[in-house]
Amino acid sequence: EAQVTQNPRYLITVTGKKLTVTCSQNMNHEYMSWYRQDPGLGLRQIYYSMNVEVTDKGDVPEGYKVSRKEKRNFPLILESPSPNQTSLYFCASSPEGLPGELFFGEGSRLTVL
Amino acid sequence: EDQVTQSPEALRLQEGESSSLNCSYTVSVLRGLFWYRQDPGKGPEFLFTLYSAGEEKEKERLKATLTKKESFLHITAPKPEDSATYLCAVQASSNTGKLIFGQGTTLQVKP
Repeated sequence: EAQVTQNPRYLITVTGKKLTVTCSQNMNHEYMSWYRQDPGLGLRQIYYSMNVEVTDKGDVPEGYKVSRKEKRNFPLILESPSPNQTSLYFCASSPEGLPGELFFGEGSRLTVL
Repeated sequence: EDQVTQSPEALRLQEGESSSLNCSYTVSVLRGLFWYRQDPGKGPEFLFTLYSAGEEKEKERLKATLTKKESFLHITAPKPEDSATYLCAVQASSNTGKLIFGQGTTLQVKP
C-alpha cells in the first residue's frame, strides 16, 4: 500500500529536549516536504526537498532542521523545542515534477511544555 | 508576496444544495493550483491540479475551475459525506518547490 509514515504520532515533551520526527515514504517519490498546521494559520511549509541531498527552506524554517540522505526518508529535527512549536505536523511526498500533488502522512501532534 | 485566500471560512449546506468555494491567489507566475480535501484527524487528500486559466477538472460532485486570479470548487448536490475542510494551494514559478496553502473552507452538509 502506498503510504507516508510518520512517527511518533503523538508526543509531549519539554522545552529544550531535542527530538526527531521521522518520515518515510514507499512510493519512490523525489519530492518531500514538512508542514505545520495551526488553527487560524492553515498549513505552512517548513522545509522541502526536491531530491536526495537537496533541501530548502519553506516559509517557517526557524527552529527546525532536516536532512535527506536517502530518497525514502526525510526526518524533521527540533534541536531545542520551544512551546511555540506545539503544533500538528505533516510530512508529504510527491512524484518528480509534481510537487503540488502531495501524498500526506497521518500527522504528528507535538506538545512542548 | 505570494498569497492565497479562501472564502468563506465555513459553509453549511443542506443535502442537495449546490454551492461554490473560492480560492483567490496572488503570485507573479502561476505554475499550478491544487485542491485538497481534509477530514478531521487526517492528512489532506489530493483532489485536482489546474495549470492555466479556463481549465476545469471534475470528480463526482466536485468541479474545479481556474481564472487568472481565482479558482472555484463547485459542489453539486452535496451529500453529508462531502463534509470536510477543502484546501487550495499554489505553486509559483519563482520557486518550484514552495507551496502556499490557503486557510481552508470547512464545509458541513446536513441531511
